[in-house]
Amino acid sequence: RKEVEQDPGPFNVPEGATVAFNCTYSNSASQSFFWYRQDCRKEPKLLMSVYSSGNEDGRFTAQLNRASQYISLLIRDSKLSDSATYLCAVLPYNQGGKLIFGQGTELSVKP
Amino acid sequence: GAGVSQSPRYKVAKRGQDVALRCDPISGHVSLFWYQQALGQGPEFLTYFQNEAQLDKSGLPSDRFFAERPEGSVSTLKIQRTQQEDSAVYLCASSLHPGPGANVLTFGAGSRLTVL
Repeated sequence: RKEVEQDPGPFNVPEGATVAFNCTYSNSASQSFFWYRQDCRKEPKLLMSVYSSGNEDGRFTAQLNRASQYISLLIRDSKLSDSATYLCAVLPYNQGGKLIFGQGTELSVKP
Repeated sequence: GAGVSQSPRYKVAKRGQDVALRCDPISGHVSLFWYQQALGQGPEFLTYFQNEAQLDKSGLPSDRFFAERPEGSVSTLKIQRTQQEDSAVYLCASSLHPGPGANVLTFGAGSRLTVL
């Protein structure tokens, strides 16, 4: 079993839809969590960190459930420009700062 | 520099050839990471440097893979006797602080290696 697992994609949604991605992690000692966005043939870029209390940035909301060991990303009112692959990343405790990534979930927003 | 710079952007190698991939991190960034990303997969950790010290190389898939960062800035990932399964994008990332808590990684554009 992979250390970080994500919903398989692709997700195909119409503009304006709300879409949610989940990500589970197996290492209960993980201490920080992130969502990265990766456009086709580009590098991953940090979308947002995920805090225990949940956090929101415009149309994007991230949640963390430590008890169930999953994080989620909600995108409201999706735009064509949201089409990308979304990677969740977990920072395990005491491993020097390396991030462990999930396989990514591809989102395609259609007109 | 303003961002993480990697070269070459594209490399085609014949099976058995040695390749060297370069990463120039953001100036002053202490931590440097190498990841391997196969098509349709997430980045897989290869190795990590804090300044010039290689603190974790647990992700290197075989002894054909070697990385160095001799002066604590530029890093080189070397792959000897390349195999077809080495075909992937090799991503370099750097962060300002070592360790957790402030670990926001900034990635370079990657080096896409194709082994024929």
